[in-house]
Amino acid sequence: GAVVSQHPSRVICKSGTSVKIECRSLDFQATTMFWYRQFPKQSLMLMATSNEGSKATYEQGVEKDKFLINHASLTLSTLTVTSAHPEDSSFYICSAHHAGEGRVEQYFGPGTRLTVT
Amino acid sequence: EDKVVQSPLSLVVHEGDTVTLNCSYEVTNFRSLLWYKQEKKAPTFLFMLTSSGIEKKSGRLSSILDKKELFSILNITATQTGDSAIYLCAVGNNRLAFGKGNQVVVIP
Repeated sequence: GAVVSQHPSRVICKSGTSVKIECRSLDFQATTMFWYRQFPKQSLMLMATSNEGSKATYEQGVEKDKFLINHASLTLSTLTVTSAHPEDSSFYICSAHHAGEGRVEQYFGPGTRLTVT
Repeated sequence: EDKVVQSPLSLVVHEGDTVTLNCSYEVTNFRSLLWYKQEKKAPTFLFMLTSSGIEKKSGRLSSILDKKELFSILNITATQTGDSAIYLCAVGNNRLAFGKGNQVVVIP
């Protein structure tokens, strides 16, 4: 299957700092990538849809100035958590949309565990 | 608003048992239904279903979709402890709506 990488896998930062998370599709081009967050024992919550070459589409209740998304190329999307606070501590997962031969699939990155102290 | 409901939310079975997980949905823009398995990290892809009545199989796992009644079933036969995980159902087009997951615990 298609491979999606995320970096870093784990990050601890101080309150007020910014953290950048990278999501890469390694063996396919992804015009669309998605960013999710997941709290313990809860399901994935879609934060935003990242489209290559255009602005991201944010879900209701997600602050776009706080969670900056840049989809600079067909294989890379970045999520920057600005001025992080302890309540931003969560598991952030990206997925890349891989369409081909009539199939539509999403493949997930391994996730980034963010802890804000 | 898109809705994906999974049941049961959690269950405990013994090794060798068969497990049936349900996913029902109401979405505005259906193209596919996907099943994922999530252990400690991010979900791993299991199946994608787009047509009714066609069973997809992978080893001891199988899944089927009913687009008329708007649900899917994921079956796991002869369960093993390695099947312990959360099974996520997601529905939609590009943009997926996820259910809360079925937490499965398989005890020896």
